[in-house]
Amino acid sequence: AQSVTQLDSHVSVSEGTPVLLRCNYSSSYSPSLFWYVQHPNKGLQLLLKYTSAATLVKGINGFEAEFKKSETSFHLTKPSAHMSDAAEYFCVVSPLLTGGGNKLTFGTGTQLKVEL
Amino acid sequence: ETGVTQTPRHLVMGMTNKKSLKCEQHLGHNAMYWYKQSAKKPLELMFVYSLEERVENNSVPSRFSPECPNSSHLFLHLHTLQPEDSALYLCASSQAAPPLHFGNGTRLTVT
Repeated sequence: AQSVTQLDSHVSVSEGTPVLLRCNYSSSYSPSLFWYVQHPNKGLQLLLKYTSAATLVKGINGFEAEFKKSETSFHLTKPSAHMSDAAEYFCVVSPLLTGGGNKLTFGTGTQLKVEL
Repeated sequence: ETGVTQTPRHLVMGMTNKKSLKCEQHLGHNAMYWYKQSAKKPLELMFVYSLEERVENNSVPSRFSPECPNSSHLFLHLHTLQPEDSALYLCASSQAAPPLHFGNGTRLTVT
């Protein structure tokens, strides 16, 4: 069994300040973990993925996430927010070794607002 | 530029209409998916096709009927829908394992 919890449904930051979007997971198996972003009226775009290599994963647009097994967390960060980062972000978990595309569990999403 | 193209982008239909959603992937993937995205709810997996065979159907009502004629194309045929079926319908594709690559979706409104 697996689940994912995004701890904040809404996050608001000022442009140029750091972004932290929190995600905790549970899994009976070693997990693969992903972050996706969805801009209004768009599909989901893959930001980054963790698949048991380096625990600090770098993604597109300056985002990164750190896999912490002891804390069962995979938080998404960015040093400096840009207006174009305003979107909804989804944390996703999948079994690493047996996970086909039909075994993904999506979080409920975090809406990021970036203010001037 | 997405490698997964969905048409139409918007669709308004009455409850007695029949319509189809189309999805095409240009990524050489061998699995395709339909998801439903409703406000305030997690994404719901509806159908999965792998190598053109349906491998999963998550108890979706029969008013939704998928079709996968080849590994690049996926359809969702709609008939006698209900207002609660109004949502964003997302198509995705992948190799055997994640990650999935999503299209921009079809915004469906049932009147």
